[in-house]
Amino acid sequence: GIQVEQSPPDLILQEGANSTLRCNFSDSVNNLQWFHQNPWGQLINLFYIPSGTKQNGRLSATTVATERYSLLYISSSQTTDSGVYFCAVDLTTDSWGKFQFGAGTQVVVTP
Amino acid sequence: SQTIHQWPATLVQPVGSPLSLECTVEGTSNPNLYWYRQAAGRGLQLLFYSVGIGQISSEVPQNLSASRPQDRQFILSSKKLLLSDSGFYLCAWSGEAPGYTFGSGTRLTVV
Repeated sequence: GIQVEQSPPDLILQEGANSTLRCNFSDSVNNLQWFHQNPWGQLINLFYIPSGTKQNGRLSATTVATERYSLLYISSSQTTDSGVYFCAVDLTTDSWGKFQFGAGTQVVVTP
Repeated sequence: SQTIHQWPATLVQPVGSPLSLECTVEGTSNPNLYWYRQAAGRGLQLLFYSVGIGQISSEVPQNLSASRPQDRQFILSSKKLLLSDSGFYLCAWSGEAPGYTFGSGTRLTVV
């Protein structure tokens, strides 16, 4: 099956710092999504981004499908950005199907 | 707007007891529904998915089963829990718009 690798596995940031999270995948994908899991376990959609670049406030994401990677940028980090960030990819071409998740990047933002 | 409800939020069950976790979606029809498990650590594993009433696909052999008795209801069950069934169980749905949306999860501890 497809391999999804996220790096770094852990990241400690001082409030206000910028960071980049990376997701590499081993095969062509039809769908890619970034999630943030907050300390209470809730998984929040950040971006649906099979290709191209999107921005939402201090977060932005870029997927280069031909090179099989996606990047998530966090700018001016805040303590509320703490949690685990997951990249998930889906190979199916018909209806939305079975996502394969990466192992996540644990982010801790310190005041 | 669409919402997904999952309950209970936490559950402590003895080994050998039955299990029933429920997930319901509002504001949409004929969603694809998914059960994921997140064990200690970070990885999310797809357990079951359903594209319609009574249609269940299992991703991994295990002690659990799933049912979809109504269009927007997805149930995860076990007849006899094992210690290894402990974890964080997440229900998700997808529909016409791209992307997954997750419920708030059930933290199950088998003792």
